[in-house]
Amino acid sequence: EVQLLESGGGLVQPGGSLRLSCAASGFIFSSYPMSWVRQAPGQGLEWVSGFSSSGGNTNYADSVKGRFTISRDNSKNTLYLQMNSLRAEDTAVYYCTKGLDYYDYVGAFDIWGRGTLVTVSS
Amino acid sequence: QLVLTQSPSASASLGASVKLTCTLSSGPSSYAIAWHQQQPEKGPRYLMKVNSDGSHSKGDGIPDRFSGSSSGAERYLTISSLQSEDEADYYCQTWGTGGVFGGGTKLTVL
Repeated sequence: EVQLLESGGGLVQPGGSLRLSCAASGFIFSSYPMSWVRQAPGQGLEWVSGFSSSGGNTNYADSVKGRFTISRDNSKNTLYLQMNSLRAEDTAVYYCTKGLDYYDYVGAFDIWGRGTLVTVSS
Repeated sequence: QLVLTQSPSASASLGASVKLTCTLSSGPSSYAIAWHQQQPEKGPRYLMKVNSDGSHSKGDGIPDRFSGSSSGAERYLTISSLQSEDEADYYCQTWGTGGVFGGGTKLTVL
């Protein structure tokens, strides 16, 4: 069964840091682009960052550029999101997603994790 | 910059059909999109990818009641024989070097 399992969320103070992890199983992790998507309380979906499968290309939403860093360890089938200088507006459920087609930078998100809640508050 | 536009809400009766629209408001009209469903208090679920020629490929386990189509810059999701569990938020998504979501359509089943 194809599965994504996020972890690492929690309560953090403004200006603090947090590292999210996403453990993948059931597919050849290294062959597919992976992304993080978030959803603030009562709001819609927002793409945060993506990591292509080939070439190691990464990209970020303007709202997190310079503060968040995406990485992947293909030997561990795990995607990460290092979040620094956190702000109240970063409060959201963060979902790990898999891209449908290996050749896309990002692709259609065909697999979603259950999400992990990040709360930034003093 | 890619922009996707969706109506904020839609409604239809139990057993009827509904057609949701996602418009590529900016960027080439040749882009494919994906449709995602988010039921209340749940995470999103991938429904299908819809290409500019109207062909679509559905995710595993998605019922035949769900179908996709295209016309110009518009991409559609049609749900037939509406059931109560279809009441949800529906998001369209496209991609280039980054991902883009529409604002979502809240579907109410009457």
